[in-house]
Amino acid sequence: GAGVSQSPRYKVAKRGQDVALRCDPISGHVSLFWYQQALGQGPEFLTYFQNEAQLDKSGLPSDRFFAERPEGSVSTLKIQRTQQEDSAVYLCASSLSQGTYTEAFFGQGTRLTVV
Amino acid sequence: GENVEQHPSTLSVQEGDSAVIKCTYSDSASNYFPWYKQELGKRPQLIIDIRSNVGEKKDQRIAVTLNKTAKHFSLHITETQPEDSAVYFCAASKGGNKLTFGTGTQLKVEL
Repeated sequence: GAGVSQSPRYKVAKRGQDVALRCDPISGHVSLFWYQQALGQGPEFLTYFQNEAQLDKSGLPSDRFFAERPEGSVSTLKIQRTQQEDSAVYLCASSLSQGTYTEAFFGQGTRLTVV
Repeated sequence: GENVEQHPSTLSVQEGDSAVIKCTYSDSASNYFPWYKQELGKRPQLIIDIRSNVGEKKDQRIAVTLNKTAKHFSLHITETQPEDSAVYFCAASKGGNKLTFGTGTQLKVEL
């Protein structure tokens, strides 16, 4: 595809519901990142994959958050038992390789609202 | 871990004037400093970046300066236009890894 694609664009979940957010990176991009952007704030790092390997998950706020990229392409961010504080825009970014100075391309994000 | 501070949080300028946004970082090992522009409801888009071995970089009306000693970097936009209105984020990373973002600057260019 032409860019990073995320789905759904908007998700409303009832508190306690599980959600799954999908990211389709740019074809051939090795690195994939998930970020959480609260209203009026900068994106905050959640987790990072290099191909199918999850190399850094230090930003995941709790064990309710889980991410996978089983075939080194599409990635899914899953949030179990959603809470109101999970409401945010979840951004996915991909870059061609891990290395210095590689531009990260962002998707348009999934806006999650927990009610 | 890395901490990036960004100022000001809002900036209003008249069309044609210059705008300057400043960021500081804490981790001296950070070596890559991109700037992203985010319009309302849209994805962040890279507008310019600078590497730690360079002190200044310019691209048309946009320039970025880096002071490694002081650990701060700045975005300069000259001859501002209404389409420059957006939120701008600075970020820092080590070796092309995860980005640590500032809190953003809402730039408004008034006619």
